[in-house]
Amino acid sequence: DARVTQTPRDKVTEMGQEVTMRCQPILGHNTVFWYRQTMMQGLELLAYFRNRAPLDDSGMPKDRFSAEMPDATLATLKIQPSEPRDSAVYFCASGPNGDRGINEQFFGPGTRLTVL
Amino acid sequence: GQQLNQSPQSMFIQEGEDVSMNCTSSSIFNTWLWYKQDPGEGPVLLIALYKAGELTSNGRLTAQFGITRKDSFLNISASIPSDVGIYFCAANFGNEKLTFGTGTRLTIIP
Repeated sequence: DARVTQTPRDKVTEMGQEVTMRCQPILGHNTVFWYRQTMMQGLELLAYFRNRAPLDDSGMPKDRFSAEMPDATLATLKIQPSEPRDSAVYFCASGPNGDRGINEQFFGPGTRLTVL
Repeated sequence: GQQLNQSPQSMFIQEGEDVSMNCTSSSIFNTWLWYKQDPGEGPVLLIALYKAGELTSNGRLTAQFGITRKDSFLNISASIPSDVGIYFCAANFGNEKLTFGTGTRLTIIP
């Protein structure tokens, strides 16, 4: 049963600490997305990759957020330093190869981040 | 930027009732999709629509891509308890980003 996995599922940290969230996309998917979900803003696209290359990170605060794909099986999203306003659920999603990979996304279960 | 207006924001229905929700925009899109999110989980794709006027079913769910390419609707027939959740429309103009609607929260009253 192919699924996107994310770790940790929950993270509570103090303001100023570094946070790293990890995602394992579905094997064979070449498009990976990072989203943030809050009650106020809904689902926001932070960044996405195709074949491990970053294609768009315009939705991401550049001063504190960074996203990478060290290899095809791992995507990371880092926040340094974290702030209370970063509290949200962060989703990773992957899409199959081809044009439909942008649309037919498979989401992970999310990482619920709380910054105190 | 491109925005999707989803309505209603929430629905309270009884089991067995039919449900209808829609999504509109002032922009034209090439693709419309509907996702569902259960509590504590990520969204799951329900239906993808790739042609204007297209009507597609997935079990009790039916969705249509509006002729003007500016809207889409989702119908659920004979609702059951597991239909509870948040339904999101999403659309793509072809710029390689999905735009998501604000969601319709469906609650089934016992």
